Amino acid sequence: DGGITQSPKYLFRKEGQNVTLSCEQNLNHDAMYWYRQDPGQGLRLIYYSQIVNDFQKGDIAEGYSVSREKKESFPLTVTSAQKNPTAFYLCASSRMRVVSNQPQHFGDGTRLSIL
Amino acid sequence: GQQVMQIPQYQHVQEGEDFTTYCNSSTTLSNIQWYKQRPGGHPVFLIQLVKSGEVKKQKRLTFQFGEAKKNSSLHITATQTTDVGTYFCAADGGSQGNLIFGKGTKLSVKP
Repeated sequence: DGGITQSPKYLFRKEGQNVTLSCEQNLNHDAMYWYRQDPGQGLRLIYYSQIVNDFQKGDIAEGYSVSREKKESFPLTVTSAQKNPTAFYLCASSRMRVVSNQPQHFGDGTRLSIL
Repeated sequence: GQQVMQIPQYQHVQEGEDFTTYCNSSTTLSNIQWYKQRPGGHPVFLIQLVKSGEVKKQKRLTFQFGEAKKNSSLHITATQTTDVGTYFCAADGGSQGNLIFGKGTKLSVKP
């Protein structure tokens, strides 16, 4: 079955440490997204990528970095510069926008906590 | 930047009662999507509305897009415990295909 796989499901970060969240999709989607979800805050866009080797900052990109070396993969690194990283991180993918937006398909998420 | 306001933030209903969540924007929207997120789960796409005044139904769910394309609503008739979750609207974030999500309405249903 096609879908989006995020790993790990739970992740703990020590002070000053960078951690990388994995996101892989086999839906052959061009576009991929990373969101952060905090209680009562909805989904906030961190980074998105429409094609390989290209990505754009979302609303809350500070303290995060991404890469898009392969169509299937869009890993997110939470750097030590992100002072409040505890949140639920969701990866999504969609077909390329043509006339209007395409539905986004989400992974199961990664819960990141500070040790 | 563009924002979509979603109300109410929380709604507690008795099973069998109806439920409505509203999504409002100060600007005209090209389209709007609705998602449902079950507790502990991830958002799942429900529907997209594109045309002014559009109404779409999915069983007990009715979705509407306002005539001015600045607001939308999701109405659930006779709620069931399986309807529990958070419902999000999401608007077009620009030419590159990203979405702007509302903060969601969390629905709880008392059996």
